[in-house]
Amino acid sequence: EPEVTQTPSHQVTQMGQEVILRCVPISNHLYFYWYRQILGQKVEFLVSFYNNEISEKSEIFDDQFSVERPDGSNFTLKIRSTKLEDSAMYFCASSEGVSGGTTDTQYFGPGTRLTVL
Amino acid sequence: AQSVTQPDIHITVSEGASLELRCNYSYGATPYLFWYVQSPGQGLQLLLKYFSGDTLVQGIKGFEAEFKRSQSSFNLRKPSVHWSDAAEYFCAVGGRQAGTALIFGKGTTLSVSS
Repeated sequence: EPEVTQTPSHQVTQMGQEVILRCVPISNHLYFYWYRQILGQKVEFLVSFYNNEISEKSEIFDDQFSVERPDGSNFTLKIRSTKLEDSAMYFCASSEGVSGGTTDTQYFGPGTRLTVL
Repeated sequence: AQSVTQPDIHITVSEGASLELRCNYSYGATPYLFWYVQSPGQGLQLLLKYFSGDTLVQGIKGFEAEFKRSQSSFNLRKPSVHWSDAAEYFCAVGGRQAGTALIFGKGTTLSVSS
């Protein structure tokens, strides 16, 4: 069964450093997403991406974040200058982008745990 | 405001007993509702979803959920819990359009005792 994959599973970085989190969405999916979950808190939406553009973003997704689809398979989240409060589990998701009478279901990867020291 | 509330942070159920996890939502448009499960070290796996039609939906692993519009609820049930069901369960609400953010509850951790 196709699944979303993410690398690395765990990343440790120093405050102020740039990090890139990588995701390979399900191959025929058109929409891609990033969510994060700070320890003990809710899973929060960051951004959705379609056709090489941001489709929707939350207040969390400020100028220090960026997303990119650098090739036909990868989808990345870059954090430009990490802060302590960026420590969280980051989930990538993808969806087919169906229309009409059915729901568009998001399928999630296993997550990358980011630790900022 | 759009939100999802899962009132129970942690539930312990005996193996073989029935289970009900509660979920209440607040959403401005027609809600599309989901339950995801997260086992330790794993991603979020879709258990089931509701968007229209029969208000009782069946999912994987023997789970079902009932949508009650009047109560703004979407509770998850299972008639007989197995030890492998121990995990964290998340209720989420979203819109119909692709690319729309899912809004998650804080999750309920299920422990199963023997």
